[in-house]
Amino acid sequence: EAGVAQSPRYKIIEKRQSVAFWCNPISGHATLYWYQQILGQGPKLLIQFQNNGVVDDSQLPKDRFSAERLKGVDSTLKIQPAKLEDSAVYLCASSFTNLPGQNTGELFFGEGSRLTVL
Amino acid sequence: SQQGEEDPQALSIQEGENATMNCSYKTSINNLQWYRQNSGRGLVHLILIRSNEREKHSGRLRVTLDTSKKSSSLLITASRAADTASYFCATDRGGTYKYIFGTGTRLKVLA
Repeated sequence: EAGVAQSPRYKIIEKRQSVAFWCNPISGHATLYWYQQILGQGPKLLIQFQNNGVVDDSQLPKDRFSAERLKGVDSTLKIQPAKLEDSAVYLCASSFTNLPGQNTGELFFGEGSRLTVL
Repeated sequence: SQQGEEDPQALSIQEGENATMNCSYKTSINNLQWYRQNSGRGLVHLILIRSNEREKHSGRLRVTLDTSKKSSSLLITASRAADTASYFCATDRGGTYKYIFGTGTRLKVLA
């Protein structure tokens, strides 16, 4: 079974530039998450999708971050314009979520996209 | 905001010893999970314990959950150098499948 794919693995940009990250979840996984992990900290949830709908984006800085999940499969996270404090690893995770009570609960993570903003 | 807080923040032990790390959380949960993260890699699921369970085992891992104290512990027995990693707890509030991660414990196992 293929895992969660993310690209690019590394990206270096100047502040005020834009960047986009792509995620392809495990086939059949309805729930997709984007997390931001700053060095030395735990992952912080940015946005959660169920199929192609947003379940929670309360921690997403919407003035500069946007995310979409086309056709309930792949997802793209965009930052525009980037700030120095956006330097972090952006982790995508997916989960098999069926009916309530049948969720396996396990999140499968990709290797992450490391962003450095200069 | 971080739902869970792990302690200790860092732990260094000798190979063969047991490692215990704790997680405290703030609100009622549906389940609690533990994940491992090797340096520069994504997170890997270790074990899930539901709110109606008190203890769970998986290989050298033992997890306990005390919902009255809003805390969980992860015990790794007979540790190996390969167990060197960061360990995070994650909680799901009320069946929303919204998983919030703690601050993590950095474990170093010395050969």
